[in-house]
Amino acid sequence: GDSVTQMEGPVTLSEEAFLTINCTYTATGYPSLFWYVQYPGEGLQLLLKATKADDKGSNKGFEATYRKETTSFHLEKGSVQVSDSAVYFCALIRVSNYKLTFGKGTLLTVNP
Amino acid sequence: KAGVTQTPRYLIKTRGQQVTLSCSPISGHRSVSWYQQTPGQGLQFLFEYFSETQRNKGNFPGRFSGRQFSNSRSEMNVSTLELGDSALYLCASSLSGEGSSGNTIYFGEGSWLTVV
Repeated sequence: GDSVTQMEGPVTLSEEAFLTINCTYTATGYPSLFWYVQYPGEGLQLLLKATKADDKGSNKGFEATYRKETTSFHLEKGSVQVSDSAVYFCALIRVSNYKLTFGKGTLLTVNP
Repeated sequence: KAGVTQTPRYLIKTRGQQVTLSCSPISGHRSVSWYQQTPGQGLQFLFEYFSETQRNKGNFPGRFSGRQFSNSRSEMNVSTLELGDSALYLCASSLSGEGSSGNTIYFGEGSWLTVV
């Protein structure tokens, strides 16, 4: 079945540091890929998405590129801020499956 | 444009009781899906509805059920509650449920259920 594996956290960085959160997936066909973010006590917010190979999703300084050859969708940001502290989830959905499959989440803490 | 609205936000129930959670999707969205989030199991898919039809269902016992109304609003019900049902229940809506380009899946704030 479908699965998403993302790097175990927690990840602790200083403000303005470079962020990478690794995400790899297993799925048949050509899924769409997502990064969602969850702030404490809140629901999920879509951070970015990519729907086909080599697409780059970007939002708020975050980027991720859909790599079909390595089945990866790593999240990067050049300079993190304290306000980026949250849990980040990588997810996929297959056409006509209507079900998001999530990774276990990565807790990011950014210190001033 | 209003987001996905879930009610109630917080509730406490006793083992053996049942609970009904409600979800109002974004206007115009016809797909509604439900997820359970727990510290141990993470985010798990419960079911998805489109135009009142369940199109996919996760691996949960029959105590978990849902439905969608003609106005796309959805409810999920959990009967005979167990301690392990304590979780954040998240509702999501989208135009078609595909997650494809131009068809973003939006989540509500969730309903926090505590079973004691």
